[in-house]
Amino acid sequence: GQQVMQIPQYQHVQEGEDFTTYCNSSTTLSNIQWYKQRPGGHPVFLIQLVKSGEVKKQKRLTFQFGEAKKNSSLHITATQTTDVGTYFCAAGGGADGLTFGKGTHLIIQP
Amino acid sequence: NAGVTQTPKFRILKIGQSMTLQCAQDMNHNYMYWYRQDPGMGLKLIYYSVGAGITDKGEVPNGYNVSRSTTEDFPLRLELAAPSQTSVYFCASSYQTGGTYEQYFGPGTRLTVT
Repeated sequence: GQQVMQIPQYQHVQEGEDFTTYCNSSTTLSNIQWYKQRPGGHPVFLIQLVKSGEVKKQKRLTFQFGEAKKNSSLHITATQTTDVGTYFCAAGGGADGLTFGKGTHLIIQP
Repeated sequence: NAGVTQTPKFRILKIGQSMTLQCAQDMNHNYMYWYRQDPGMGLKLIYYSVGAGITDKGEVPNGYNVSRSTTEDFPLRLELAAPSQTSVYFCASSYQTGGTYEQYFGPGTRLTVT
């Protein structure tokens, strides 16, 4: 099955700094999804990327899917305390379920 | 809509005991899934179902069983609980719309086996 590696595992930033997490696969992915999990909460869907080289934006969040469809990134501009949580990339979906990366824990210092 | 609901929220089991984690969704989704999440880690797929009466194993099915008699319900059965099954269990559901397979997660069941 598909496997995805995610880095870094932890990221400490000062409030207002930018944040980026990266997701990599050794195989070509049909799609990549991103989820956010607040501490003590459940994963919440952010976005799905399907096309090679795709870039999508949601306010301060920018999502990219690599040209070879083997990597993806999530970039947050000017972090806020509400951005705290763990960000997961996940491959697959539909009938077979998702394969999740281990996530990047975002810790923000005021 | 309540979305995806799970019961119980917390449970402590002794080694060797059995229990059923309940999951229900009211969104008429065909696809349902069970994941487990160990501390500080990502989610791993235990079992999934593409519709009533159809289930299949995911990445880590050993020690678990599922059934799907209705579209709404997808219970997960733990037989002979072991400490390695201490985890947070998430149920999720999804449907395909325009090629997107967004998954909706329940609040989770936090299980400790001692």
